[in-house]
Amino acid sequence: QVQLKESGPGLVQPSETLSLTCTVSGFSLTSYSVSWVRQPSGKGPEWMGRMWYDGDTAYNSALKSRLSISRDTSKNQVFLKMNSLQTDDTGTYYCTRVYNNYYFDYWGQGVMVTVSS
Amino acid sequence: DIQMTQSPASLSASLGETVTIECLASEDIYDILAWYQQKPGKSPQLLIYDASSLHTGVPSRFSGSGSGTQYSLKINSLQPEDFASYYCQNGLSAPNTFGAGTKLELK
Repeated sequence: QVQLKESGPGLVQPSETLSLTCTVSGFSLTSYSVSWVRQPSGKGPEWMGRMWYDGDTAYNSALKSRLSISRDTSKNQVFLKMNSLQTDDTGTYYCTRVYNNYYFDYWGQGVMVTVSS
Repeated sequence: DIQMTQSPASLSASLGETVTIECLASEDIYDILAWYQQKPGKSPQLLIYDASSLHTGVPSRFSGSGSGTQYSLKINSLQPEDFASYYCQNGLSAPNTFGAGTKLELK
């Protein structure tokens, strides 16, 4: 069955870099795109960026200067790196499978990231 | 960026009642809209896509409608498991913006 699982540190210092890994199973990264979505506590989700099935990437313009998404298809993994973290980057980070080009049909359990010294 | 404005922000309803949640896009999104349900501590779950298509396994008491900039999610005959937060999402253009959410609570 389709599964996505995020992993990474729960605590990041201000101005440091966040590195997260999404490990997928039940589908191929060369057939489906994967997006990263984050959600501050009590607020709506925010789309961060996408790794297309063909290896291309797209980013939220608000984050583009700080964000990088890559993948390793042999390991079924998608990576997120975001630098210069601030306290308002605190929230739950999800990786999601993209459905019909526009939507998100499977989500990981999420990883809570706190930016604090 | 396309802004998605949801209303109401919160809603109290009783079991068996019917409720409607609205979502207004800042420009025409040509029905490229989804609705998600999220329970506390869980990931969002896709309910509706293309404004009115029910995702696999979603009960038929959920329905979506609308066009242009105005969309709505209707839930008939509320069940205990329906009390959750709901979000609309623009799929037309990046960034794929979400609404701020509607929290549906048991009266």
